Amino acid sequence: GENVEQHPSTLSVQEGDSAVIKCTYSDSASNYFPWYKQELGKGPQLIIDIRSNVGEKKDQRIAVTLNKTAKHFSLHITETQPEDSAVYFCAASRSGTYKYIFGTGTRLKVLA
Amino acid sequence: NAGVTQTPKFQVLKTGQSMTLQCAQDMNHNSMYWYRQDPGMGLRLIYYSASEGTTDKGEVPNGYNVSRLNKREFSLRLESAAPSQTSVYFCASGTSGGAGETQYFGPGTRLLVL
Repeated sequence: GENVEQHPSTLSVQEGDSAVIKCTYSDSASNYFPWYKQELGKGPQLIIDIRSNVGEKKDQRIAVTLNKTAKHFSLHITETQPEDSAVYFCAASRSGTYKYIFGTGTRLKVLA
Repeated sequence: NAGVTQTPKFQVLKTGQSMTLQCAQDMNHNSMYWYRQDPGMGLRLIYYSASEGTTDKGEVPNGYNVSRLNKREFSLRLESAAPSQTSVYFCASGTSGGAGETQYFGPGTRLLVL
């Protein structure tokens, strides 16, 4: 079946450093890739997304890159801050379906 | 706007008991979803409703039923709870339906089945 692999499962960085989380998807028809941030005790919140016709997208300190050939996409957070500490999920979906396949999550800790 | 609300926040059940998880959204979204979140497994889709009056199975529907009561409300029912259903349940609603929509999640319901 379709799946999304996400790495690493945990990531610790010093405040001000960059963090990179990677996901690989199996369904080559996937064309939409959102990233969610989940803080403790809360539901996931969309932070950035990318579509298959775009290779990179940036929003302030957050960027996502997509490599369709290799079927992987990555989240980049620069100048990390303690409030970036959370669990991050990637997901993949394709047109004509309401189903999103989520990665297993990455727990990011930003050390002050 | 309250966004997506879920009740209850916490629940403890005994094996075999039944319960209904409630979800409501005030964003006039057509699509609504129920997910479960288990450690190390991410979010898995249980059921979804593309629009009022329709429901469809997701990845892990066994042991659950849903009702799309109206455009705002989408409930999840456990008829005979099992320990394997211990999880955190999230409801979500979507802006436009299908791939490419933004999904908004509720705060979750933490369920423990003994």
